[in-house]
Amino acid sequence: QLQLQESGPGLVKPSETLSLTCTVSDVSISASNFYWGWIRQPPGKGLEWIGNFHYGGTTNYNPSLKSRVSISVDTSKNQFSLKMKYVTAADTAVYYCAAGSGSTAWGPGMLVRVSS
Amino acid sequence: QTVVTQEPSVSVSPGGTVTLTCGLDSGSVSSTSYPTWYQQTPGHSPRTLIYTTNSRSSGVPDRFSGSILGNKAALTITGAQADDEADYHCALYVDSGTWVFGGGTKLTVL
Repeated sequence: QLQLQESGPGLVKPSETLSLTCTVSDVSISASNFYWGWIRQPPGKGLEWIGNFHYGGTTNYNPSLKSRVSISVDTSKNQFSLKMKYVTAADTAVYYCAAGSGSTAWGPGMLVRVSS
Repeated sequence: QTVVTQEPSVSVSPGGTVTLTCGLDSGSVSSTSYPTWYQQTPGHSPRTLIYTTNSRSSGVPDRFSGSILGNKAALTITGAQADDEADYHCALYVDSGTWVFGGGTKLTVL
């Protein structure tokens, strides 16, 4: 059964780059028909779709974040990553990685705070 | 930027039926929006309930159903139970491979 786990620094300084990794278990990123992506949730607020990719296909981003965000994959480690540049306090959120084809599996989420 | 609309809060009596909706600020929701519904309880990650309008995820009770009602997607809970109290989020496929979430609906069972 597909399992996802986010990891990375829980505290990032303003104007720096947020970097998170999602480790995937029991399903191969390169061999599945899944979409793999990132979603975030500011404290007390709703969900915001950040972006996703299909292995061997295109990567799609939220237009409002596109200039600051990139998603990459490391098939040797069965991981995919999120980088977000020039973060501000507004980027403080729980970041989830998720995957699926139709029904989506979610990681447990990771709180990232942007603060000096 | 596309805006997806949901009721901020809804209440239902135990055993009752409630319908939550998911719309677009401009335009209609259709099956090609691939409406997807998630349930989230405090401190937990979301759980997929319904995808592609009306397909239930594995393990989701059949009291949860999805549909298109008029120009919106709808999630209906029939025979609501206390542990259905949660936040419900919808997501719609908008265009060019992108998705948008609604603001979420807080469901109270009382």
